[in-house]
Amino acid sequence: SAVISQKPSRDICQRGTSLTIQCQVDSQVTMMFWYRQQPGQSLTLIATANQGSEATYESGFVIDKFPISRPNLTFSTLTVSNMSPEDSSIYLCSVEVGGNTGELFFGEGSRLTVL
Amino acid sequence: AQSVTQPDIHITVSEGASLELRCNYSYGATPYLFWYVQSPGQGLQLLLKYFSGDTLVQGIKGFEAEFKRSQSSFNLRKPSVHWSDAAEYFCAVGANPPGSARQLTFGSGTQLTVLP
Repeated sequence: SAVISQKPSRDICQRGTSLTIQCQVDSQVTMMFWYRQQPGQSLTLIATANQGSEATYESGFVIDKFPISRPNLTFSTLTVSNMSPEDSSIYLCSVEVGGNTGELFFGEGSRLTVL
Repeated sequence: AQSVTQPDIHITVSEGASLELRCNYSYGATPYLFWYVQSPGQGLQLLLKYFSGDTLVQGIKGFEAEFKRSQSSFNLRKPSVHWSDAAEYFCAVGANPPGSARQLTFGSGTQLTVLP
């Protein structure tokens, strides 16, 4: 198992600003995953963050909008840049434990509201 | 490409009643299947998973799910619902053999309300 802490848990932001979300895991993991959960929607994978390499972005997500850092095996950040109201979502950090099983552990999420 | 359908957006049951949440998937072979629960203000927690073998799998919190290949379904069940089960439930399908969580597809979720 893994314990994942995310900060901030929620924030209200102004249009055009940027916000960085932090994700801390209590154990070393190879890959960390960032998801977006828009209101009333399911989870959409934004990107996969590997330590020591560029993040891998899914279709529809770009590095300029969602830059990701992965400085070590227990920490990652996701920045939501130049925010608009459409970016209002819950952003979730997760890790896969036990190899490539698809079994994910999630942080509590960061609920962003953009005015 | 794989897909997941959760036909019920919202279900309401009385405490103590039985529960079944539906999940249908589309995948070319036997997939990996998961049910996750998201309580209010929380991240997702894995309830149970199916990889192979016995088609009836037991999970945490008294939940079980049955894989039915002929119906492409993986419905979640609980014989007696507790008020604390009120949450959103997500079914997910993954590739077999698994690559990584990048290959997971989540359903749109079913919101469960439990009446006293």
